[in-house]
Amino acid sequence: EAGVAQSPRYKIIEKRQSVAFWCNPISGHATLYWYQQILGQGPKLLIQFQNNGVVDDSQLPKDRFSAERLKGVDSTLKIQPAKLEDSAVYLCASSLEGLQSTDTQYFGPGTRLTVL
Amino acid sequence: RKEVEQDPGPFNVPEGATVAFNCTYSNSASQSFFWYRQDCRKEPKLLMSVYSSGNEDGRFTAQLNRASQYISLLIRDSKLSDSATYLCAVNVRGSYIPTFGRGTSLIVHP
Repeated sequence: EAGVAQSPRYKIIEKRQSVAFWCNPISGHATLYWYQQILGQGPKLLIQFQNNGVVDDSQLPKDRFSAERLKGVDSTLKIQPAKLEDSAVYLCASSLEGLQSTDTQYFGPGTRLTVL
Repeated sequence: RKEVEQDPGPFNVPEGATVAFNCTYSNSASQSFFWYRQDCRKEPKLLMSVYSSGNEDGRFTAQLNRASQYISLLIRDSKLSDSATYLCAVNVRGSYIPTFGRGTSLIVHP
């Protein structure tokens, strides 16, 4: 079974530039998550989708971050404009339903963003 | 107080040692608990869920202490390949959003 796919794997940009990340979840998984993991910290949830609807985006810095999952499958996360403190690994994860708290999340390999 | 706290370590142990990590959580309504393993520059992978009665998977044992609000992970007979960061994650009752700790680094040396 194919896992969660993410691209690009690495991205280096200058501050104030824009960047976009792409995620393709495991086939059939209804729930998709975007996390930010800063070096030395655990993943922090940015946004959760159930199919193409947003379940939780309370920790998404909406002045610069946006995400969409238009057809309930792939998702993109955008940062515009980027700041130095956005340097992190952006992890995408998916789960089958996400409606039960015991649902297993499967993570993608992540996109490592460096903002100079 | 942070929602989920872990000692970052590193825990430096010889092969064959037994090592234990704790993870404390602040919300008494927490309902689901997990341990993840994250290798250097890799994504987190679920190691095991933590059940109220405790559970074991080979050399790994997970325990939950609701009264003191912590979970633990015990690794027996440590292998070099166990070297990684171990993240705990906690779901509050009624929430589908896990909160992760910062992780505990384990280094197993020959």
